[in-house]
Amino acid sequence: DGGITQSPKYLFRKEGQNVTLSCEQNLNHDAMYWYRQDPGQGLRLIYYSQIVNDFQKGDIAEGYSVSREKKESFPLTVTSAQKNPTAFYLCASSRARSSYEQYFGPGTRLTVT
Amino acid sequence: ELKVEQNPLFLSMQEGKNYTIYCNYSTTSDRLYWYRQDPGKSLESLFVLLSNGAVKQEGRLMASLDTKARLSTLHITAAVHDLSATYFCAVDPLEYGNKLVFGAGTILRVKS
Repeated sequence: DGGITQSPKYLFRKEGQNVTLSCEQNLNHDAMYWYRQDPGQGLRLIYYSQIVNDFQKGDIAEGYSVSREKKESFPLTVTSAQKNPTAFYLCASSRARSSYEQYFGPGTRLTVT
Repeated sequence: ELKVEQNPLFLSMQEGKNYTIYCNYSTTSDRLYWYRQDPGKSLESLFVLLSNGAVKQEGRLMASLDTKARLSTLHITAAVHDLSATYFCAVDPLEYGNKLVFGAGTILRVKS
């Protein structure tokens, strides 16, 4: 079955540590996205990539980094510079051209203490 | 700044009743998406609206798009408990490339 996988489902880290969230898709989609969701709020775009080896900052990129070395993979690193990293992180993918809907992974809930 | 506003943000309704959720946006777009999210879960695509006047229906939910008014509606007919969830609209603004801007979401609780 085609889809998007994110791991782990739950992640706990101490403040000051970098942490990497995994996102893999086998939908053969060109574009991939990372969103952050805080309780009771909508989704905010962190980074997106429309092609391998290229990515752009979204609305809240500070304190995050990404890479896109393979079409199917788009890992997100939450660095120690992110001041409030505890949140629900969602990865999505779509065909490259707009007018195609985005499909979402199951999410990773990150808690930093 | 592009804004996508949903209202109401919270809706409590009785089973069997009808109601409409509104999604207003501030930029030119003819592409709008509705998603459903259950607590602690990911987003599930409900409707893709790609032109002015588009109307789509699935079960008790019907979505429409008026690009001139920059308004989309999600109408619920004869609500049932299983529709309880958070509903998001998302706009694909023409000048932003392939990015979506989400509304804050509408929390729907259907009481039996």
